[in-house]
Amino acid sequence: NAGVTQTPKFQVLKTGQSMTLQCAQDMNHNSMYWYRQDPGMGLRLIYYSASEGTTDKGEVPNGYNVSRLNKREFSLRLESAAPSQTSVYFCASRGGSYNEQFFGPGTRLTVL
Amino acid sequence: QKEVEQNSGPLSVPEGAIASLNCTYSDRGSQSFFWYRQYSGKSPELIMFIYSNGDKEDGRFTAQLNKASQYVSLLIRDSQPSDSATYLCAGARSGSARQLTFGSGTQLTVLP
Repeated sequence: NAGVTQTPKFQVLKTGQSMTLQCAQDMNHNSMYWYRQDPGMGLRLIYYSASEGTTDKGEVPNGYNVSRLNKREFSLRLESAAPSQTSVYFCASRGGSYNEQFFGPGTRLTVL
Repeated sequence: QKEVEQNSGPLSVPEGAIASLNCTYSDRGSQSFFWYRQYSGKSPELIMFIYSNGDKEDGRFTAQLNKASQYVSLLIRDSQPSDSATYLCAGARSGSARQLTFGSGTQLTVLP
């Protein structure tokens, strides 16, 4: 039982390049989330998926797209990376005794 | 104004003391609250959940909620150096996706 996994762990991009961050969970949770974390800003919600087949914008969706590929997988795509997207990205899924969110290990992205 | 506010700290306490972490929220629609602990370079992990007014205790941790004052706190008794981390407060609205709104976190250092 791996919980929530994310790939890659680290990535360096040049401005204008594209990439997809992958996330998968093996806990059979319906809801999944993508956050970014910047120093002094806490976690900010980018997109979420309440259930398979649905996605919705969060607080900071501009510059990102998402795909809920199936119940297990939820990917985040940067079509044209910008230095302002340099951040740590966390994926989470929701379930458990308190309907809490479980977080993946994060992806540290630098855009030059 | 952020919907969830935390004193960013840093907060330093000596080993064995009580650490008190505070959080205020502006959204009266928030139904329940979570405290996550985040070690440097790691992902957040849940330590406490509370949804009723009053206190909830779990080992050395006590969460307190006062909905009239829109105030949530976390007390850590007998603080240990291993408690040194950033503590994130998050509020959740009811609804299918139960989105979380996070504060920016309080950095706690427990001095040996």
